Amino acid sequence: DGGITQSPKYLFRKEGQNVTLSCEQNLNHDAMYWYRQDPGQGLRLIYYSQIVNDFQKGDIAEGYSVSREKKESFPLTVTSAQKNPTAFYLCASSILPRVWTEAFFGQGTRLTVV
Amino acid sequence: KNEVEQSPQNLTAQEGEFITINCSYSVGISALHWLQQHPGGGIVSLFMLSSGKKKHGRLIATINIQEKHSSLHITASHPRDSAVYICAVEGSQGNLIFGKGTKLSVKP
Repeated sequence: DGGITQSPKYLFRKEGQNVTLSCEQNLNHDAMYWYRQDPGQGLRLIYYSQIVNDFQKGDIAEGYSVSREKKESFPLTVTSAQKNPTAFYLCASSILPRVWTEAFFGQGTRLTVV
Repeated sequence: KNEVEQSPQNLTAQEGEFITINCSYSVGISALHWLQQHPGGGIVSLFMLSSGKKKHGRLIATINIQEKHSSLHITASHPRDSAVYICAVEGSQGNLIFGKGTKLSVKP
């Protein structure tokens, strides 16, 4: 079955450490997105990628970095520069950039800084 | 003011009740999505609407473009419907703008 796989489901990080969240899709979608979810707030866009080797900042990109070396993969690194990294992170994909025939999301990664 | 407003924020219902969740938006849109987020966190797409009404099983979604309003209805609610329901609109540039969600709890 096609879908989006995020790993790990839970992640703990010490302050000052970088951590990378994995997102893989086998839907052959061109576009991939990273969102952050905080309690009582809507999802906010961190970064998105329309094509391999290309990505753009979203609304809250500070303290995050991404890469898109393969169509299937869009990992997100939460750097030590992110002031408040504890959150729920969701990866999504769409068949084409900004063409949402259906919204596909992963199961999410809950990151906790300890 | 948020561009996408959902009401209510929280909703508790008894099994079998008819449920309505509302979504109002203030921007021009090309489509609206209803999403379901289960306690584990994963999100699934329920509906994508640009006009009229769609039905899938016990779920019905409607949209009124002129009034910038959409509703999600659940008939004969069941405890397994307990989840957070999220409204998201596609803005003019194709980005998704999300509401804060409505947390639904259906008691047996």
